[in-house]
Amino acid sequence: QVQLQQWGAGLLKPSETLSLTCAVYGGSFSGYYRSWIRQSPGRGLEWIGEINHSGTTSYNPSLKSRVTISVDTSKNQFSLKLNSVTAADTAVYYCANKDYSSTWPFDSWGQGTLVTVSS
Amino acid sequence: EIVLTQSPGTLSLSPGERATLSCRASQSVSSNYLAWYQQKPGQAPRLLIYGASSRATGIPDRFSGSGSGTDFTLAISRLEPEDFAVYYCQQYSSSPWTFGQGTKVEIK
Repeated sequence: QVQLQQWGAGLLKPSETLSLTCAVYGGSFSGYYRSWIRQSPGRGLEWIGEINHSGTTSYNPSLKSRVTISVDTSKNQFSLKLNSVTAADTAVYYCANKDYSSTWPFDSWGQGTLVTVSS
Repeated sequence: EIVLTQSPGTLSLSPGERATLSCRASQSVSSNYLAWYQQKPGQAPRLLIYGASSRATGIPDRFSGSGSGTDFTLAISRLEPEDFAVYYCQQYSSSPWTFGQGTKVEIK
């Protein structure tokens, strides 16, 4: 089973860019989908977007204008950038994996990173 | 997008009792692409059930899922102390993938 380890800045000011990275250990290097999901008391669990083994991305329409997900296959890592953050973006952010196809559950998760946006 | 509504919000039960959690979708979840996750404080969610009724690897058989279309159920036959947690349903039939708001199973 895939294991995920994530890291990134935990405290941001409004208007800054959130940047997180997730390293992938094990699993297949084809037929996968890597996602970012966030969780906050007000919004619950919210899927942000995903990138597949071909580099094709898909984003939640609610965040699409501010999100970029990219992959570095040489390092087995993928990353999230969310620009122009506000206090509403304060949440625990998770990376997650789906094997096989886009229509598959999230079968592995990172440990989570608390990101706080405050002036 | 498909909105998932879970009920009840909180379930207060004793160890050994049966828990029944509900997840209702705002539109039909095709191919029963419905999953259940368990989350404990300070941890990431863990996949329990996928395809509405298939247990994920390593999940005990006291956990079972059922349902189709818009109505789904997660049952825990006999609650063990480690089962007290928050449970979420999630649909993966139509993007954006969405989650329910969760049901907390607490010790009575």
